[in-house]
Amino acid sequence: DAGVIQSPRHEVTEMGQEVTLRCKPISGHNSLFWYRQTMMRGLELLIYFNNNVPIDDSGMPEDRFSAKMPNASFSTLKIQPSEPRDSAVYFCASSYPGQGAVFGPGTRLTVL
Amino acid sequence: GNSVTQMEGPVTLSEEAFLTINCTYTATGYPSLFWYVQYPGEGLQLLLKATKADDKGSNKGFEATYRKETTSFHLEKGSVQVSDSAVYFCALSPDNDYKLSFGAGTTVTVRA
Repeated sequence: DAGVIQSPRHEVTEMGQEVTLRCKPISGHNSLFWYRQTMMRGLELLIYFNNNVPIDDSGMPEDRFSAKMPNASFSTLKIQPSEPRDSAVYFCASSYPGQGAVFGPGTRLTVL
Repeated sequence: GNSVTQMEGPVTLSEEAFLTINCTYTATGYPSLFWYVQYPGEGLQLLLKATKADDKGSNKGFEATYRKETTSFHLEKGSVQVSDSAVYFCALSPDNDYKLSFGAGTTVTVRA
């Protein structure tokens, strides 16, 4: 298994632009998580899905952020419009009951 | 609610020293407990886990025992190496949910 796949690995964009981050979870895992990591706030859970259904999106910062999981093998996290304070590393992770989450390599987002 | 508290870093050690990182948790029921490690520039990796009281998780020379009476899951390694330099995160997953709650992370630096 290739593990959790995220794309792009790095993204540099200008303030106001739309950003879409992508994630392919491990096949067979039925939970998917989006996390954001910054020096100031550490690791924050943004949203998580179980069986493609959003279960808890209380960590999504504001309406500029949205996430979808149209099927078991794909999820997106979109920021529109982006702002400099969104600069962070965004991690996708997937899990199966009792196994612990497997994290992707992350997308480093820089908003200028 | 569910939460994890781990000792603040940074922690700096010499090679072959003994490492302990304290972790305590607050949760209802019987959560699963995890330690994750993040090497510089990489995503989080599951280091070890324990799913019930008195279980001992172990991997790569690291150990942690699930202590329900003290609500603790302290990480230990008897002889650290320079390659163990990383950020270590304690985490829990409630018994009725997949959501992971992470501690703030402890940065460990091992000097030769």
